[in-house]
Amino acid sequence: NAGVTQTPKFQVLKTGQSMTLQCAQDMNHNSMYWYRQDPGMGLRLIYYSASEGTTDKGEVPNGYNVSRLNKREFSLRLESAAPSQTSVYFCASAGPGQYTGELFFGEGSRLTVL
Amino acid sequence: QKEVEQDPGPLSVPEGAIVSLNCTYSNSAFQYFMWYRQYSRKGPELLMYTYSSGNKEDGRFTAQVDKSSKYISLFIRDSQPSDSATYLCAMSALGDMRFGAGTRLTVKP
Repeated sequence: NAGVTQTPKFQVLKTGQSMTLQCAQDMNHNSMYWYRQDPGMGLRLIYYSASEGTTDKGEVPNGYNVSRLNKREFSLRLESAAPSQTSVYFCASAGPGQYTGELFFGEGSRLTVL
Repeated sequence: QKEVEQDPGPLSVPEGAIVSLNCTYSNSAFQYFMWYRQYSRKGPELLMYTYSSGNKEDGRFTAQVDKSSKYISLFIRDSQPSDSATYLCAMSALGDMRFGAGTRLTVKP
């Protein structure tokens, strides 16, 4: 089972460049999430989508946009990358266990902004 | 003050030791308490979850929640080198989830 697949796994950008991180899940989950992970900060929620067609801001949404393309896919876009966005980004999905915290994570996308 | 506090470690123990990992939190609305394990360069995976206060055991792992003290723990018995990972506590209230910063554990053979 593929589970949650993220692309790309690594990316280096220059300040001001744009890029989109792709995420797809094959578990037929309704909810999908984008987190960033920084040393000493833990996982912080950027945006989430409770179901196809809906998206909501999380804890740290500034500088990001998202698109829930269909039930399987949830993309994260950086319109004008900044060095503060250097981080490891994780996509996650949740099914019926979304309220109990049962999230399934991808392997992460490591982004460096110079 | 962070909503969830977790000692980042690192923590190094010999194989076979009992490991204790802890988190404190400030939001009394949290109802679900989770422990995720994250191997290097991988995504977190759910290890255990507990609803409200009490203990939950799964093999060598025991999760404890003390809501009155706003304190949760994960105990690992007979620790193995394969347990070497970062352990993240997490807690949820009606789907609003917060993670600790993670404790990096190394179990030496």
